[in-house]
Amino acid sequence: QKEVEQDPGPLSVPEGAIVSLNCTYSNSAFQYFMWYRQYSRKGPELLMYTYSSGNKEDGRFTAQVDKSSKYISLFIRDSQPSDSATYLCAMSYTGNQFYFGTGTSLTVIP
Amino acid sequence: DVKVTQSSRYLVKRTGEKVFLECVQDMDHENMFWYRQDPGLGLRLIYFSYDVKMKEKGDIPEGYSVSREKKERFSLILESASTNQTSMYLCASTEGAGPYEQYFGPGTRLTVT
Repeated sequence: QKEVEQDPGPLSVPEGAIVSLNCTYSNSAFQYFMWYRQYSRKGPELLMYTYSSGNKEDGRFTAQVDKSSKYISLFIRDSQPSDSATYLCAMSYTGNQFYFGTGTSLTVIP
Repeated sequence: DVKVTQSSRYLVKRTGEKVFLECVQDMDHENMFWYRQDPGLGLRLIYFSYDVKMKEKGDIPEGYSVSREKKERFSLILESASTNQTSMYLCASTEGAGPYEQYFGPGTRLTVT
């Protein structure tokens, strides 16, 4: 069983839709959770970071962590064509070595 | 802005060749990482380094070695390239020993024929 599971998609939504991206994990010791965005032919870049459980909001993006269910989510409100990318979840128990999901490919259609 | 650069964007090598992938970061970061990214498998950690001349194995070190002679430079070496090492290779760096953001380079797409 993989440490981190993520639905690869692809996901296609109309502009303005609310997008929900999710990851599940098996290691209950994970306490650092990150979401990265990766545009085509580029390296991933950090989008959101949360520690332990709870929600974190940054503009149109909200990250949620439910440690009891071993489930994390990223919500994108009012999605834009510029949000079209692959979204990777990543998690760690030490903060040094991160385990990545496989990535979900998102396309926002104008 | 932190910049992580990788020596090549695309590389084609033959089976059995020795391959060097270079990574340089310009922000005096202590930690550097090498990943490979494959469809359906995501990013997998090959090796990482917390300091000059130090290295730690990641999840898939077999067939790879690394070198860190200077703080800003981290090299990945494929001693004898094989076709199953065809992949996207990503280098990353972080500031210190904490849950810091990983800054990634643009990647090197290596094809081994």
